[in-house]
Amino acid sequence: NAGVTQTPKFQVLKTGQSMTLQCAQDMNHNSMYWYRQDPGMGLRLIYYSASEGTTDKGEVPNGYNVSRLNKREFSLRLESAAPSQTSVYFCASSIQGSNQPQHFGDGTRLSIL
Amino acid sequence: EDQVTQSPEALRLQEGESSSLNCSYTVSGLRGLFWYRQDPGKGPEFLFTLYSAGEEKEKERLKATLTKKESFLHITAPKPEDSATYLCAVQPGPSPRLTFGEGTQLTVNP
Repeated sequence: NAGVTQTPKFQVLKTGQSMTLQCAQDMNHNSMYWYRQDPGMGLRLIYYSASEGTTDKGEVPNGYNVSRLNKREFSLRLESAAPSQTSVYFCASSIQGSNQPQHFGDGTRLSIL
Repeated sequence: EDQVTQSPEALRLQEGESSSLNCSYTVSGLRGLFWYRQDPGKGPEFLFTLYSAGEEKEKERLKATLTKKESFLHITAPKPEDSATYLCAVQPGPSPRLTFGEGTQLTVNP
């Protein structure tokens, strides 16, 4: 049982390049999330999808776009990468509804030069 | 604005030395408080959900408690394998959005 799978695990980009981070879950969860984790800032929500076909902005959405491809997959796209987007990106999923714990993947470590 | 503050930032214990981690929060309409464990290079691993003041949950050497303003994660007789960063998060209102604290880095020496 894989849970939440993120690809790639590591990536180095140049400023201005574009990239899509992939996330897939096999727990039949309705809701999916993208976070970034930076030293001294904690985990911050970028975008989330409460259910298939819906997406909403989180705390730090600028510079990112998302696509909920189907129930299993939720991708995060950087259209024109900036050094400020250097971070560790985590995808999570949960049963739909409030009070439900989110389950995380192991992250994508992204460096932008 | 919802806020979560965890203390201490770092804690070093000897094996068997019990202690507590603190999570203080201000939120409008708490729906749930979550504790996670994060190992280096890994994603957060879910530990507990607490819903209302007075609630307690236990798992092995860990016990989480909740009041109206803070939560404690008590670690009894810790072992080196309990070394990790412990994260606290709150869920305000009906939205599934979580607000995380910055975590407490726990090191347990043998």
